[in-house]
Order: sequence, then C-alpha cells, then structure tokens
Amino acid sequence: GENVEQHPSTLSVQEGDSAVIKCTYSDSASNYFPWYKQELGKGPQLIIDIRSNVGEKKDQRIAVTLNKTAKHFSLHITETQPEDSAVYFCAASKNNQGGKLIFGQGTELSVKP
Amino acid sequence: NAGVTQTPKFRILKIGQSMTLQCTQDMNHNYMYWYRQDPGMGLKLIYYSVGAGITDKGEVPNGYNVSRSTTEDFPLRLELAAPSQTSVYFCASSGGDTIYEQYFGPGTRLTVT
Repeated sequence: GENVEQHPSTLSVQEGDSAVIKCTYSDSASNYFPWYKQELGKGPQLIIDIRSNVGEKKDQRIAVTLNKTAKHFSLHITETQPEDSAVYFCAASKNNQGGKLIFGQGTELSVKP
Repeated sequence: NAGVTQTPKFRILKIGQSMTLQCTQDMNHNYMYWYRQDPGMGLKLIYYSVGAGITDKGEVPNGYNVSRSTTEDFPLRLELAAPSQTSVYFCASSGGDTIYEQYFGPGTRLTVT
C-alpha cells in the first residue's frame, strides 16, 4: 500500500523567513496531494492541495510543488508569521479509494518573532 | 453549520472497559472517517464509510468497530480497551463536489489505564 514520508519532523524559523516541508510517496498511482494544518487542540484543516496533472499551485503565501517522476511534493510558506506555528501534515490519495488519505508523520513548525 | 462534532472531548477508561466515541456531521457528506493520532506518527485511518450502511477497514482497524445507520452519524466502538488504544481520535467527513477535502472534528483524547 501507499506510504508517505515527511521531513523534517520539527522546523524552527524566524518570522519573515521561508519554510519548506517535504514529502515522498511510494505509490505512483497516487494523484491527489493535500496539506493540512493542525493548531494546538484542534483537528487538522486543509490549507492547499494539488493534483498530479499540475506541477505547482499557489495561494497567497503558501505554495505546493509536485515532482511525479521523483514521487515527492513540498509545501512552501513564505514571509512566515507567528500564526503559521502549527503542525503540518501532507497526505496522498488516489482514485477509487473512497476519499481515503494516507498521511505523513507531521512537521511541527515554530515561527519565532 | 456545526460541521463535524465529536463527544466526549476527554475520557479515561480502565483496561477491559468498552465505550463508544460519537461523531456527527451536518454537511450531508456521504464519506466519513475515523483516525487515531499518536505522537510523531501522524494520522492513521481506522475505519471509513462511503455511505449509510457501508463501512470498510482502514490501516489500523483491530480493536475497533463502526456502524453507519444514518448519513449524519458514524460512531466508533472500542471493545475491551487496551493501553495501546490511548490516543487522540479524530472523525472526519467529505462529500459534495470533492470527496477528498476532509473536514475534521475537534478530537477525543482517550486514555486507557
């Protein structure tokens, strides 16, 4: 089955710097890659996603890139702010799987003011 | 809309006891999911459902049971609780135009001692 590896497990940056989180997946049939943000004491919330027919997607300060050949995808956060501090999860899914997501292990991002 | 609600928020069980974690969504989503989250391990899918009356196993189903008699409700049953089931449990739902965007509840923190 699918396996998703996520790195790093913790990341500390200064406010205003950029942050990059990387994930690799094992199943070449996976075609949907979302990123979730989990704030302390809350459930994860979708922040951006990308499909396999697209190489990059941006939404304001957040972008996701996908390299299908290498089977990896990354989350890029620019101009980080203290409110970006949270745990971020990547995930992968494919068609005919009932919407099932396989999640990475998570990255705890800390943005220091 | 309340979204996805879960009860209880916290629970302490003794080894061998049983309990049901409740999950309700008011978005008329067909798809519902149960995850457990252990520190540093990401989210693991326990069971999922693609509609009322239909359930299937996820990555870590042992020790759990589910039922889906209505679109709104997806309870998770723990029989003979074990310390290994100490975790945070999240319910999620998806549907409409995109079955892949999952909406998560606030979670239930369960301790088995």
